[in-house]
Amino acid sequence: KNEVEQSPQNLTAQEGEFITINCSYSVGISALHWLQQHPGGGIVSLFMLSSGKKKHGRLIATINIQEKHSSLHITASHPRDSAVYICAVNSGGSNYKLTFGKGTLLTVNP
Amino acid sequence: ETGVTQSPTHLIKTRGQQVTLRCSSQSGHNTVSWYQQALGQGPQFIFQYYREEENGRGNFPPRFSGLQFPNYSSELNVNALELDDSALYLCASSLDRAHNEKLFFGSGTQLSVL
Repeated sequence: KNEVEQSPQNLTAQEGEFITINCSYSVGISALHWLQQHPGGGIVSLFMLSSGKKKHGRLIATINIQEKHSSLHITASHPRDSAVYICAVNSGGSNYKLTFGKGTLLTVNP
Repeated sequence: ETGVTQSPTHLIKTRGQQVTLRCSSQSGHNTVSWYQQALGQGPQFIFQYYREEENGRGNFPPRFSGLQFPNYSSELNVNALELDDSALYLCASSLDRAHNEKLFFGSGTQLSVL
């Protein structure tokens, strides 16, 4: 079992729909990152969370530390939101590595 | 624009060769991490450098090595290339080595080993 599980793996939506992508993890963490990866490889950091909720434009990220679960929401989705969304956790310790989920491929159709 | 640049963008090598990939971090970012991303998978942590010293390592063999320089640039070296080394290699820089700050990724180097 992977330490970081994302669902769904693939998601297709119509423009304007509300999108939710989920991330569950099995280890204690000091921080969780939501990342966006477009075709061609470049990764953009969307959020870094250690508790609560953050909002940036149409994007909202929440985290529940007790339940080891985070969600990324996109309101009023648009075709330009089409990308792979990746959750990554920092489990702390002396080896400062991030553990990544496999990503959720989001396709928003016009 | 993340302020992190990687070169080259694409590279083709043959099995057994050696390769050096380069990353230029944002000025002031003391921490750089390297990741390998196979097609359809999430990135896998290779290692992290902090102030020019290796600060953590993932499950990669010693033929994967790195360097970090005082001018915020870094290198990933892979010796004795294998077919399975074909992947996208990403570097990410940050102010904080514990990854409790925002990360800035480069666009990656796509390595193909034939």
